Amino acid sequence: GAGVSQSPRYKVAKRGQDVALRCDPISGHVSLFWYQQALGQGPEFLTYFQNEAQLDKSGLPSDRFFAERPEGSVSTLKIQRTQQEDSAVYLCASSWRDRGYEQYFGPGTRLTVT
Amino acid sequence: GENVEQHPSTLSVQEGDSAVIKCTYSDSASNYFPWYKQELGKRPQLIIDIRSNVGEKKDQRIAVTLNKTAKHFSLHITETQPEDSAVYFCAAGGDSSYKLIFGSGTRLLVRP
Repeated sequence: GAGVSQSPRYKVAKRGQDVALRCDPISGHVSLFWYQQALGQGPEFLTYFQNEAQLDKSGLPSDRFFAERPEGSVSTLKIQRTQQEDSAVYLCASSWRDRGYEQYFGPGTRLTVT
Repeated sequence: GENVEQHPSTLSVQEGDSAVIKCTYSDSASNYFPWYKQELGKRPQLIIDIRSNVGEKKDQRIAVTLNKTAKHFSLHITETQPEDSAVYFCAAGGDSSYKLIFGSGTRLLVRP
């Protein structure tokens, strides 16, 4: 079946612009995660949804970052007033399990803030 | 806080040799340990995982071992092939947390 998809795959934003990144999880997957991956590093947790409920947002780096999953399927990560330090690959993962088990990743969105 | 350390950061082996990557974790409540393979510009792919109720798991050329007392786990790849070249990440998670904590990655190069 179809895996996790993300769009856009690449995004260039001028500093100060708002961006919205989309994640389509595997159909039926309860859990959805957002991670940030800096160049040469492992993914770092941003936030977690179980269905439409955001149960953990402890990894969001600032209040400029906001995520939602209103109908328990598609999720959007929004970054307001982008800064250069926001440049990274944003990965979405989903799982049929709750909590952190068996996560399947999307291809990521590479965000470059100029 | 929670932390996963991964070694080595780079590993170069001859085709056919074995490769071993090691990780240690800090949260004693962790009970799930996956390994991901990430090729350049691609998504991380789950290649094998282990739960804390077992000490070893094998899938063809790939095996993972877990020492819960010492809080470390390892990935073993035997009979390496050039297509095994990639960055490998270990991670820790489980019942105690919603998230996975990732190591910093090991770049594996298999020389033909």
